Amino acid sequence: GDSVTQMEGPVTLSEEAFLTINCTYTATGYPSLFWYVQYPGEGLQLLLKATKADDKGSNKGFEATYRKETTSFHLEKGSVQVSDSAVYFCALSPSYGQNFVFGPGTRLSVLP
Amino acid sequence: EAGVAQSPRYKIIEKRQSVAFWCNPISGHATLYWYQQILGQGPKLLIQFQNNGVVDDSQLPKDRFSAERLKGVDSTLKIQPAKLEDSAVYLCASSLHRDRWNTGELFFGEGSRLTVL
Repeated sequence: GDSVTQMEGPVTLSEEAFLTINCTYTATGYPSLFWYVQYPGEGLQLLLKATKADDKGSNKGFEATYRKETTSFHLEKGSVQVSDSAVYFCALSPSYGQNFVFGPGTRLSVLP
Repeated sequence: EAGVAQSPRYKIIEKRQSVAFWCNPISGHATLYWYQQILGQGPKLLIQFQNNGVVDDSQLPKDRFSAERLKGVDSTLKIQPAKLEDSAVYLCASSLHRDRWNTGELFFGEGSRLTVL
């Protein structure tokens, strides 16, 4: 079945460091890909998405490019802030309106 | 615009007891989801409603879990009897519609944390 694999955390960075969180997926057809973020004590919220190959999603300085050839959707940010500390979930929505599949999440801690 | 509301935020019960969680989705959202999030894992879908009809409940443990969505708005998720492995955060989410490509955004509530002793 469809699945999402993320790099294990926790990831600890200093403020202004470069961030990469790897995400790879297994799916038939042409899924849509998402990154959701969960700040402490809050629900998940959409960070960015891409609906077809080579699309780049971006928001709040974060970017991810839908790479069909490597089945990847890695999350990047050039300069992280303390306020980016959260758990990040990669997710896919399989073709034809089936339900979301979430990865296990990667916890990011940014130190001042 | 008000977000997805859930209650209670926290619940502690003993095994074999029952518990119920309530969710009020964003106004106008036709699709409602219940997810189970075990510590260290991603959310796992339990049940999906489109208006007041069930679209997918294939992963709902029907011997102990039940859910309903009366009048296509609020929803209740019940567990009876609870087991230790049911300890998790129960997330409710809603979306405006369930389009063919499912590219619509899910809006999540803050979750209800259940501890079963």
